[in-house]
Amino acid sequence: AQKVTQAQTEISVVEKEDVTLDCVYETRDTTYYLFWYKQPPSGELVFLIRRNSFDEQNEISGRYSWNFQKSTSSFNFTITASQVVDSAVYFCALSEAATDSWGKLQFGAGTQVVVTP
Amino acid sequence: DTAVSQTPKYLVTQMGNDKSIKCEQNLGHDTMYWYKQDSKKFLKIMFSYNNKELIINETVPNRFSPKSPDKAHLNLHINSLELGDSAVYFCASSPGGARTTDTQYFGPGTRLTVL
Repeated sequence: AQKVTQAQTEISVVEKEDVTLDCVYETRDTTYYLFWYKQPPSGELVFLIRRNSFDEQNEISGRYSWNFQKSTSSFNFTITASQVVDSAVYFCALSEAATDSWGKLQFGAGTQVVVTP
Repeated sequence: DTAVSQTPKYLVTQMGNDKSIKCEQNLGHDTMYWYKQDSKKFLKIMFSYNNKELIINETVPNRFSPKSPDKAHLNLHINSLELGDSAVYFCASSPGGARTTDTQYFGPGTRLTVL
């Protein structure tokens, strides 16, 4: 069963608009980690953020911000004032500390963000 | 100053052939991984190695055999290639020991096309 759901397949915005990417996860573990990766058209996977399950503080890094809510099992990602260079596929991923899942990054299906000038 | 590198970047081959993909990391990490990204961009782990020891071995056909000559290298050998093996294969590494939840840093990927 899919443990990470990214319901939005593609989001199209015009430059300078904000865009929010949803990520809902499923786990029975109390200790787990959530990640976001960016895959630009060039194909590489770029690490953006890692959060542990005990830290629900929102995080901001430049135009990027993340909202982690354990109550709704969500770890959403917002790009403020989007730019063309933000066009990419964004993946949310879960890493659980349970023995049989340890070390595995379990990815969502990804959300394609298209930013047009 | 490349952190995780893979060779080749592109690999086009005929069905039935045997091929290898090489991965090297210069981050001093202890754990390395192989992931497969299919045509729908879904990413799934295949293997992980910690200091040359196989840790994770997902449900992968035994035509796929990883080999780690040292902790900085993890190669993937594929025998008797099939059309369904066409995908992008990513190598990754992380600093922690076996069974770690540390951040994984990915290589640029190898696009394998089987004709």
